[in-house]
Amino acid sequence: DGGITQSPKYLFRKEGQNVTLSCEQNLNHDAMYWYRQDPGQGLRLIYYSQIVNDFQKGDIAEGYSVSREKKESFPLTVTSAQKNPTAFYLCASSISFGGYTFGSGTRLTVV
Amino acid sequence: SQELEQSPQSLIVQEGKNLTINCTSSKTLYGLYWYKQKYGEGLIFLMMLQKGGEEKSHEKITAKLDEKKQQSSLHITASQPSHAGIYLCGAAGRLTFGEGTQLTVNP
Repeated sequence: DGGITQSPKYLFRKEGQNVTLSCEQNLNHDAMYWYRQDPGQGLRLIYYSQIVNDFQKGDIAEGYSVSREKKESFPLTVTSAQKNPTAFYLCASSISFGGYTFGSGTRLTVV
Repeated sequence: SQELEQSPQSLIVQEGKNLTINCTSSKTLYGLYWYKQKYGEGLIFLMMLQKGGEEKSHEKITAKLDEKKQQSSLHITASQPSHAGIYLCGAAGRLTFGEGTQLTVNP
């Protein structure tokens, strides 16, 4: 079955370290997205990519980086520059700008 | 960039009561999605609206998109504890979301 996979489900990071969250899809979707969610709040767009080797900043890109070397993969790196990285991170993919599919998320905790 | 504003931010209702959540866009909507979520879990797709004046229903949930395509409402009839969660509206395109409405349904 086609779908979108995020790993790991839970991630712990020491302060000052970079960490990479994985997002893989086998839906042949062109576009991929990363969101951050804090408790009791909605989703804020970090980065999105409409095509391989191209991506755009969302509303809260500072402290994050992404790459899109393959259509299937859109990893997100949370850098040490991100002041408050503890959050729930969701990845999504879509055909151009429609028909969105979401992963099950990664909960990142800084210890 | 397009901004979505949801109201109310949180809502506590007694089981069996009706409720409405609103979503207002700063620009014309070319597609509006409603999702339900519990924090720390994935999103559950509820429905998508595209045409001005469109209305869709699923079980006890009805969503409408106004004629000018800048506002949508989500109405729940006879709420149940299973309706509790965060309701999110999202604008098609970059798929930006409103801040969400936290719904609590007390038995």
